[in-house]
Amino acid sequence: SQQGEEDPQALSIQEGENATMNCSYKTSINNLQWYRQNSGRGLVHLILIRSNEREKHSGRLRVTLDTSKKSSSLLITASRAADTASYFCATTGTASKLTFGTGTRLQVTL
Amino acid sequence: NAGVTQTPKFQVLKTGQSMTLQCAQDMNHEYMSWYRQDPGMGLRLIHYSVGAGITDQGEVPNGYNVSRSTTEDFPLRLLSAAPSQTSVYFCASSYLRAPEAFFGQGTRLTVV
Repeated sequence: SQQGEEDPQALSIQEGENATMNCSYKTSINNLQWYRQNSGRGLVHLILIRSNEREKHSGRLRVTLDTSKKSSSLLITASRAADTASYFCATTGTASKLTFGTGTRLQVTL
Repeated sequence: NAGVTQTPKFQVLKTGQSMTLQCAQDMNHEYMSWYRQDPGMGLRLIHYSVGAGITDQGEVPNGYNVSRSTTEDFPLRLLSAAPSQTSVYFCASSYLRAPEAFFGQGTRLTVV
């Protein structure tokens, strides 16, 4: 079964706006990662946040983690058309085994 | 840098046929895994390996076999293809102590 569920399933915004997507998971984790998938391509790692961290930044990305609520959010600031993609959260429990959420499809229009 | 290479990119099989999806990585990663991606379901783990000679089942292993004879290669075998195995298959690799995964470009498989 899926570990994570993402919300919303789809998001459409205009270029320059911020995009926020959320991820909820079910069991204890060692860390949580976010990946991007462009249409028809493989997944690309964006950012990792460990279970003892609450917030992390990387460029235009900001990730938060609330282990008490078993949830995480990904904020993309000042979105660009090139950010159009599907975004997945993935949790790691045992070793390097990743369990993915169902993804959020982001559409950024000009 | 090659990274993770999957072949073929596309494949059509008839029900009952067998085939092997190839995956190779050149980063000396210990951990390799296979996922299938179906619409609306995200990625589901089929099999994984933590090193040469060691494999284990993931969430949806039925109908698939794997082996890991070298660090670099992790082929996925479909024993007798079924229409339910129509999907996009991704191979991924990572270091055991650094869980950021690198993905191949995927194999789109259609079983008719």
